[in-house]
Amino acid sequence: AQTVTQSQPEMSVQEAETVTLSCTYDTSESDYYLFWYKQPPSRQMILVIRQEAYKQQNATENRFSVNFQKAAKSFSLKISDSQLGDAAMYFCAYNTDKLIFGTGTRLQVFP
Amino acid sequence: DTAVSQTPKYLVTQMGNDKSIKCEQNLGHDTMYWYKQDSKKFLKIMFSYNNKELIINETVPNRFSPKSPDKAHLNLHINSLELGDSAVYFCASSLRYRVEKLFFGSGTQLSVL
Repeated sequence: AQTVTQSQPEMSVQEAETVTLSCTYDTSESDYYLFWYKQPPSRQMILVIRQEAYKQQNATENRFSVNFQKAAKSFSLKISDSQLGDAAMYFCAYNTDKLIFGTGTRLQVFP
Repeated sequence: DTAVSQTPKYLVTQMGNDKSIKCEQNLGHDTMYWYKQDSKKFLKIMFSYNNKELIINETVPNRFSPKSPDKAHLNLHINSLELGDSAVYFCASSLRYRVEKLFFGSGTQLSVL
């Protein structure tokens, strides 16, 4: 069965610092996508970053980057220079014909 | 223009009632989905339609019936609402069947009293 595990229910970070959110997944497929979605209190699901499994290079979007370890089935999200607006639930997700989500990590950002 | 719009945003109703949630996407996507987010924030897929054809039907009670009149619309009708149906329901779409990127609506918070 395809599963996505986020082992950190909550994380906190000081403004301007760096934080890493963990995600592991289980699959027997070789071709897939991995995602990090952000859900602020507004409830909107916002795509933060996407990684294609066949690409060895880690994806980067401004202050957000991933550490994709395909053999280890690990996909962590690093947020650099954290801002108050980064406070949200973060969901890791894996796809084939549907997006399967992890249980989420609540990130708090302190001034 | 909102890419994926769903209505209503909030729905409060009594147990036993029947209600519908509507969803429309203007992205020209082939595939649409319904996801349910429970009180613990867990997101789980319910249904998926590709070009109006049902392709994913997870273990959802048959009180839930999706309907796709065309590939831009996917509505969700719920019969005989129960307390446990209270959740946030998200509509989403992707360009094609194999998900490369999912676009979400803003969600409908359903409260069953």
